[in-house]
Amino acid sequence: GQQLNQSPQSMFIQEGEDVSMNCTSSSIFNTWLWYKQDPGEGPVLLIALYKAGELTSNGRLTAQFGITRKDSFLNISASIPSDVGIYFCAGQLVGTYKYIFGTGTRLKVLA
Amino acid sequence: NAGVTQTPKFQVLKTGQSMTLQCAQDMNHEYMSWYRQDPGMGLRLIHYSVGAGITDQGEVPNGYNVSRSTTEDFPLRLLSAAPSQTSVYFCASSYSRTSQKLFFGSGTQLSVL
Repeated sequence: GQQLNQSPQSMFIQEGEDVSMNCTSSSIFNTWLWYKQDPGEGPVLLIALYKAGELTSNGRLTAQFGITRKDSFLNISASIPSDVGIYFCAGQLVGTYKYIFGTGTRLKVLA
Repeated sequence: NAGVTQTPKFQVLKTGQSMTLQCAQDMNHEYMSWYRQDPGMGLRLIHYSVGAGITDQGEVPNGYNVSRSTTEDFPLRLLSAAPSQTSVYFCASSYSRTSQKLFFGSGTQLSVL
């Protein structure tokens, strides 16, 4: 089936540093979603992207919908300890109601 | 707002037992879905529904049944649990078929011994 390749798998960064992660696929999507998941909780929606080339921010988070519609990027600026968690991308396949998810990026912030 | 509510939070089953994971949403969402989350594999779609009376299979449907008799509820049934079904299960819903924001419940951690 379709897969989303998410990288990096994990990151250790210093507080205050910027973070970048991305998702790529061979499939085309009409929507990209970015989530954060804390231990024992469900994923929480951070940013939604609906158009190729779209750049959207939510506080210190910025995400972009790739021009090819096959990829997306999430940046976190000036990381803080509460940014710790697992970040997932999800794409909705064109012509379907289905969302497929990346395998996640585990972020750890060192104070 | 309650959002997407899943019960139970934790469950332990013996191989061969059956059970139903409950999911309810109070947002009048048309689209509802079930995912399982396993280490290193992200979230995989089990079944989904685009409205009452309409269901379809996702990526990993074997061993699971669903039904959608009301807009609010979308239960997931395991007819004969197997150790391979040990996982964390998430229910998710969306406001409409064309709305792409998917909202999740807090999950059910299931262990099959």
